[in-house]
Amino acid sequence: GQQVMQIPQYQHVQEGEDFTTYCNSSTTLSNIQWYKQRPGGHPVFLIQLVKSGEVKKQKRLTFQFGEAKKNSSLHITATQTTDVGTYFCAGKTLTGTYKYIFGTGTRLKVLA
Amino acid sequence: DGGITQSPKYLFRKEGQNVTLSCEQNLNHDAMYWYRQDPGQGLRLIYYSQIVNDFQKGDIAEGYSVSREKKESFPLTVTSAQKNPTAFYLCASSTSIFGVGGLTDTQYFGPGTRLTVL
Repeated sequence: GQQVMQIPQYQHVQEGEDFTTYCNSSTTLSNIQWYKQRPGGHPVFLIQLVKSGEVKKQKRLTFQFGEAKKNSSLHITATQTTDVGTYFCAGKTLTGTYKYIFGTGTRLKVLA
Repeated sequence: DGGITQSPKYLFRKEGQNVTLSCEQNLNHDAMYWYRQDPGQGLRLIYYSQIVNDFQKGDIAEGYSVSREKKESFPLTVTSAQKNPTAFYLCASSTSIFGVGGLTDTQYFGPGTRLTVL
């Protein structure tokens, strides 16, 4: 079945350092969404990418969708302690059921 | 105050007992979803419902059952057939299951229920 993998699984950074998480799908995606889950909390929607090669920015966060629509990345510039949490990508298939396959997540820890 | 609620936050049950997790939303969303999250893992889809009186199995439906009698409510029953029920259960809703561009399939998650089977 379709799989969505994320790397790395964990990342510890010093406050002020950059952070990137990568999402890779075994099949071409219709679109991809990114969510953030704070420790002890629930996932919260961040952004959706639809077009091949699309790049979107939200303040210090930059999201990219690959040209082949099979991979995506989230880059955080100059991390802050408020960035702590687990970041998930969720990809929707081109055909079949209208469901999202969530990636395994990247847990970010920011050291002050 | 609009949103999606789940109750209770923590639930303890004895092995062999069925248990029902509540999920209610007042966002007027057509679609609702149940996910399971295990420590250090992503979310796995259990069931989803496109509209009232309709629901579809997700990737790990065995040992679970759902109903969708009202638009606002999508309860999940964890049956004794579920071999490893201890997990964090998340309910979500979206305007519809369709979307691309219109963000109508953006999922809004409830706070979750942490189920422990003793």
